[in-house]
Amino acid sequence: SAVISQKPSRDICQRGTSLTIQCQVDSQVTMMFWYRQQPGQSLTLIATANQGSEATYESGFVIDKFPISRPNLTFSTLTVSNMSPEDSSIYLCSVQGHSGNTIYFGEGSWLTVV
Amino acid sequence: DQQVKQNSPSLSVQEGRISILNCDYTNSMFDYFLWYKKYPAEGPTFLISISSIKDKNEDGRFTVFLNKSAKHLSLHIVPSQPGDSAVYFCAAIILGGNTPLVFGKGTRLSVIA
Repeated sequence: SAVISQKPSRDICQRGTSLTIQCQVDSQVTMMFWYRQQPGQSLTLIATANQGSEATYESGFVIDKFPISRPNLTFSTLTVSNMSPEDSSIYLCSVQGHSGNTIYFGEGSWLTVV
Repeated sequence: DQQVKQNSPSLSVQEGRISILNCDYTNSMFDYFLWYKKYPAEGPTFLISISSIKDKNEDGRFTVFLNKSAKHLSLHIVPSQPGDSAVYFCAAIILGGNTPLVFGKGTRLSVIA
């Protein structure tokens, strides 16, 4: 399995500000995914980030709110823009295993918007 | 429409007994199923998986059963240990379908010593 590191692990953010979450993988991967888990909810896919192309966003998520970068095969960032309390959530970076049928997750970034 | 359902939000089991976590799905195209375990404020950890061509997969104390006709799978943990207390997510995917994993809402398991 891949080792996935996320920063920050936890942050308290002011309403209206933006925060960028970084995800570093210890091996080259084609597909990286960004998930969100709001309190009491399931994991929800925000977008799929492939290196060299625009991220693909799921229904309900837009690039202006969650811009994503994927500059190389081991790194990605997710920015949560113009935050509101509803954005308080765990944000998780994940990658597809080499077998193609398992997703591995980072430790998550817990954001609280006040 | 929720394609993967975990109808029990929580479950309590005594240490040493069997824990059975259930999961139902609606999309018959799903052909691979996974269970993840999640502790608070941590990312989910892959636990065990099963292909739709099998009806059982076992790994130590963890066994997953798949009933395709009923579109139902279950995770058995035996014997249950206090360290198993966590939220367990069921997930499903169509292999090669270029679609993401679909997760259930999770079941919180509490193993009581």
